[in-house]
Amino acid sequence: AQKVTQAQTEISVVEKEDVTLDCVYETRDTTYYLFWYKQPPSGELVFLIRRNSFDEQNEISGRYSWNFQKSTSSFNFTITASQVVDSAVYFCALSEADTDKLIFGTGTRLQVFP
Amino acid sequence: NAGVTQTPKFRILKIGQSMTLQCTQDMNHNYMYWYRQDPGMGLKLIYYSVGAGITDKGEVPNGYNVSRSTTEDFPLRLELAAPSQTSVYFCASGQGGSGNTIYFGEGSWLTVV
Repeated sequence: AQKVTQAQTEISVVEKEDVTLDCVYETRDTTYYLFWYKQPPSGELVFLIRRNSFDEQNEISGRYSWNFQKSTSSFNFTITASQVVDSAVYFCALSEADTDKLIFGTGTRLQVFP
Repeated sequence: NAGVTQTPKFRILKIGQSMTLQCTQDMNHNYMYWYRQDPGMGLKLIYYSVGAGITDKGEVPNGYNVSRSTTEDFPLRLELAAPSQTSVYFCASGQGGSGNTIYFGEGSWLTVV
């Protein structure tokens, strides 16, 4: 069965701290896709990144970086030098090869204080 | 760029009332979805559609109906609203095909009292 676990319900940091959001997934498929979405206080869902199961290369985009490790079934998200605007709920999600349907984790609420 | 547009953004319903959440996308996507988001629970799939005239149930379809008469529109109907349907509803669309990115609307906050 597919499952996404985000064990951290809420994280609070002070601006400029680095923070890592954990995501652990379960799937029986060898081909699958992992996603991160950001939900700011305004409520919309913003796509951040997609990674397929054959690409374990880490990705960096500005202050954001993602670490994909198949050996531990994890797809963690790190924000470097956090800013107040990073305050949001972050969702990790999984889709398998034969479907576009996303299975979401329960989200991690990140609060960045000035 | 409009993307995925949902209306209304906020609505209060009385128990037993019915209503339709509208969703339209202008990206010519074949696939469309309705999710609901309950506090602390992530998002769960209600219904989805892989093209005009084709719909299928997701994880939590009970109490809802959908139709897909055009590529652009995917309305969600709530029949006989119940307090358990108090939630935030998100419409989404995507190109279809393995692992394609799904883009979401801004959400519709529904309260049933």
